[in-house]
Amino acid sequence: AAGVIQSPRHLIKEKRETATLKCYPIPRHDTVYWYQQGPGQDPQFLISFYEKMQSDKGSIPDRFSAQQFSDYHSELNMSSLELGDSALYFCASSLLAGPTSTDTQYFGPGTRLTVL
Amino acid sequence: EDQVTQSPEALRLQEGESSSLNCSYTVSGLRGLFWYRQDPGKGPEFLFTLYSAGEEKEKERLKATLTKKESFLHITAPKPEDSATYLCAVRGYSGAGSYQLTFGKGTKLSVIP
Repeated sequence: AAGVIQSPRHLIKEKRETATLKCYPIPRHDTVYWYQQGPGQDPQFLISFYEKMQSDKGSIPDRFSAQQFSDYHSELNMSSLELGDSALYFCASSLLAGPTSTDTQYFGPGTRLTVL
Repeated sequence: EDQVTQSPEALRLQEGESSSLNCSYTVSGLRGLFWYRQDPGKGPEFLFTLYSAGEEKEKERLKATLTKKESFLHITAPKPEDSATYLCAVRGYSGAGSYQLTFGKGTKLSVIP
């Protein structure tokens, strides 16, 4: 079965640079979630989108922004990168509308961001 | 604020030695409790969803149960390939239409041959 796709898988940036992470949800899924997982930490919710509209917001820094496009893929844009932004960034997707809806979130493999 | 506490932090088992992992939670109304398995450097892999006290779900050597305050993940006769970090997450009534998950810090399971 198709899974969530994230790109790139690894990214190295310098402080104060910008980064863009991409997420392609499971086909026909309508909702995308972004999580940040620091070293040895649990995943922390950042933001989510349902049908291309922001649906929920967590502990996302103002330096970060995200959007969901018409094809349901999502991008997380990170500016003025700091050393503390080094983490694994996960995207998850779910299908919230329709007869086969489920609130189960299926996670992608993650993007490992290293800020030097 | 939703809170999830998992215990123990780490668990070493001999192959075939059954045990249980604990997930205690505090939420303002539970809308779902989720178990995931995570291998190093990889994304969480979905295992189970539980919605109401008394509910149980099984998959191979794993069985998840739910009470009003905690959930258990029982591992029967584990094998080395069951070694991973097991994450528990809850979805509470943190806001209308909110589906965000609050995770525990996980239990790192090591199964020794």
